[in-house]
Amino acid sequence: NAGVTQTPKFQVLKTGQSMTLQCAQDMNHNSMYWYRQDPGMGLRLIYYSASEGTTDKGEVPNGYNVSRLNKREFSLRLESAAPSQTSVYFCASSIGTSAGELFFGEGSRLTVL
Amino acid sequence: AQSVTQLDSHVSVSEGTPVLLRCNYSSSYSPSLFWYVQHPNKGLQLLLKYTSAATLVKGINGFEAEFKKSETSFHLTKPSAHMSDAAEYFCVVRGSSASKIIFGSGTRLSIRP
Repeated sequence: NAGVTQTPKFQVLKTGQSMTLQCAQDMNHNSMYWYRQDPGMGLRLIYYSASEGTTDKGEVPNGYNVSRLNKREFSLRLESAAPSQTSVYFCASSIGTSAGELFFGEGSRLTVL
Repeated sequence: AQSVTQLDSHVSVSEGTPVLLRCNYSSSYSPSLFWYVQHPNKGLQLLLKYTSAATLVKGINGFEAEFKKSETSFHLTKPSAHMSDAAEYFCVVRGSSASKIIFGSGTRLSIRP
């Protein structure tokens, strides 16, 4: 019973490098989300996908892109990483955007040097 | 507009004593409210949720929360703290869309032996 799976768990990048964080859920949820967590700031929404084929910006989308590859998978891409993107990234899913709780992955810790 | 305030950034209690983590919310309609727990280097796990049924909500690991509309509060309690309860706790208010899922800034709970 995997739930929400994120890869990689850890990554170190140099400024300007690109990378993609992968997320997959096996709960047949319609909605998926990417959050970042920084000390003292709670969780902030980067992008979300209400359903397969749709994506929307959240609170802090600058410097990121997303792809909802299919109903199960939702990836987050950093095209040109910056030190300000050093953070812990969480993928989450829910049955829909207007109801139900979020289910979270274990997180991906990203350091940009 | 919705908002959520966790009134304490850090709470420290002795093992075996009661736990109280405070959360106040603001919402223009009857919200859904959640408490999540995050252990170090882990994802967020749902403790309990309020969705307009009973005002006293029981969750996992002996935690409870009471929805008080008149006080706009949703405080988390546990009668007797255990060492394994040491973690970060987040109060979350959920509205009608992904952009209206608001996380509190978190309360770190420490347990003294």
